[in-house]
Amino acid sequence: QQQVKQSPQSLIVQKGGISIINCAYENTAFDYFPWYQQFPGKGPALLIAIRPDVSEKKEGRFTISFNKSAKQFSLHIMDSQPGDSATYFCAASIEGSWGKLQFGAGTQVVVTP
Amino acid sequence: DGGITQSPKYLFRKEGQNVTLSCEQNLNHDAMYWYRQDPGQGLRLIYYSQIVNDFQKGDIAEGYSVSREKKESFPLTVTSAQKNPTAFYLCASTPGQGVQRGGYTFGSGTRLTVV
Repeated sequence: QQQVKQSPQSLIVQKGGISIINCAYENTAFDYFPWYQQFPGKGPALLIAIRPDVSEKKEGRFTISFNKSAKQFSLHIMDSQPGDSATYFCAASIEGSWGKLQFGAGTQVVVTP
Repeated sequence: DGGITQSPKYLFRKEGQNVTLSCEQNLNHDAMYWYRQDPGQGLRLIYYSQIVNDFQKGDIAEGYSVSREKKESFPLTVTSAQKNPTAFYLCASTPGQGVQRGGYTFGSGTRLTVV
């Protein structure tokens, strides 16, 4: 079974709106939570990542919110643009595990003009 | 430019045939990984290698084999034992234990189709 549960499976947002993707995990040993962005026919690219000692991290229009007690984290895309249309994956790993990532199932985001 | 090169981009396999997917990196990364991507299932780990001449099974290793004879190369063979090989295959690398410093670098993938 998937160790990281991601929702929604897809979402449509208007240009300028906010896209929100949520992930939940059970294994409290996870200590690194990256988000990847993937365009069709390409490999995923690291977007932003967070460690559990902070509750929020912002890079440009992308923000990760982290709730350690609830074992949940989310990606917010502010001022969504058509170029943000892609599939987004959350993931989690354990330090010392040689980078083995457990991925969520992915969210396809479509930003309409 | 440093990066990961996967080839071929598209591959067609006949029933009962073994095929090998190539993955080469010039990032001087120690660790390399193979993931399989299916619609609605995210990425699942097939095999990973921390160092030359050493590799470990991931979550879905059955029907696959790998080798790591050189630091820069980590080919994946999809054997006839893999009953449902049609998928998008992604190779990735990281510097090593300090994955948190930079995350994965992925290749552009190989789409394998059984015909």
